[in-house]
Amino acid sequence: GQQLNQSPQSMFIQEGEDVSMNCTSSSIFNTWLWYKQDPGEGPVLLIALYKAGELTSNGRLTAQFGITRKDSFLNISASIPSDVGIYFCAGQSGGYQKVTFGTGTKLQVIP
Amino acid sequence: DAGVIQSPRHEVTEMGQEVTLRCKPISGHNSLFWYRQTMMRGLELLIYFNNNVPIDDSGMPEDRFSAKMPNASFSTLKIQPSEPRDSAVYFCASRRPDRGRSWETNEKLFFGSGTQLSVL
Repeated sequence: GQQLNQSPQSMFIQEGEDVSMNCTSSSIFNTWLWYKQDPGEGPVLLIALYKAGELTSNGRLTAQFGITRKDSFLNISASIPSDVGIYFCAGQSGGYQKVTFGTGTKLQVIP
Repeated sequence: DAGVIQSPRHEVTEMGQEVTLRCKPISGHNSLFWYRQTMMRGLELLIYFNNNVPIDDSGMPEDRFSAKMPNASFSTLKIQPSEPRDSAVYFCASRRPDRGRSWETNEKLFFGSGTQLSVL
């Protein structure tokens, strides 16, 4: 089956620092999605990418769809305490757009 | 918009009991997904429906798990009999029909708040 591997698994950073995380797959996806999950809640969509090579920003967040369509990265600039949470990548593919999630990156921001 | 509604929020049961989790998708959404989240395995897709029809149930762990979507506004995930290894957070998510390429209006998976299941 499809597998998405995220790295790093977890990270501690100082407030104000930039963060980078990535996701790789053994399969090709036609859409890449990045979600954030706060404790006790369901994941919430941050950014969606539709074309290989596409670079998209949403405020302090920037994400890119890899050229091979098997990877994506997410950058967060100037981190703040509310960025704490688990970040998931997800790949979407197939005629019915099945959504498969990565293993997650747990982010801790030290004030 | 009420969002995806899941019930119950928490469920504690004893091994061997039947468990039923419920989900009400967002009105107008035609795809519904059931996920299970654990520390060890992350977010696993169990099954998803399109227009009330199960499309892919290859993620359902075993015959003890079953899911139904009798109409566009309701789905259930049932575990019978339940086992301690079924303890996890179960999420339901829904998505509206594809209307084009704007990510603001389609292909956006909305999640419920989840059901925390503990099987003792």
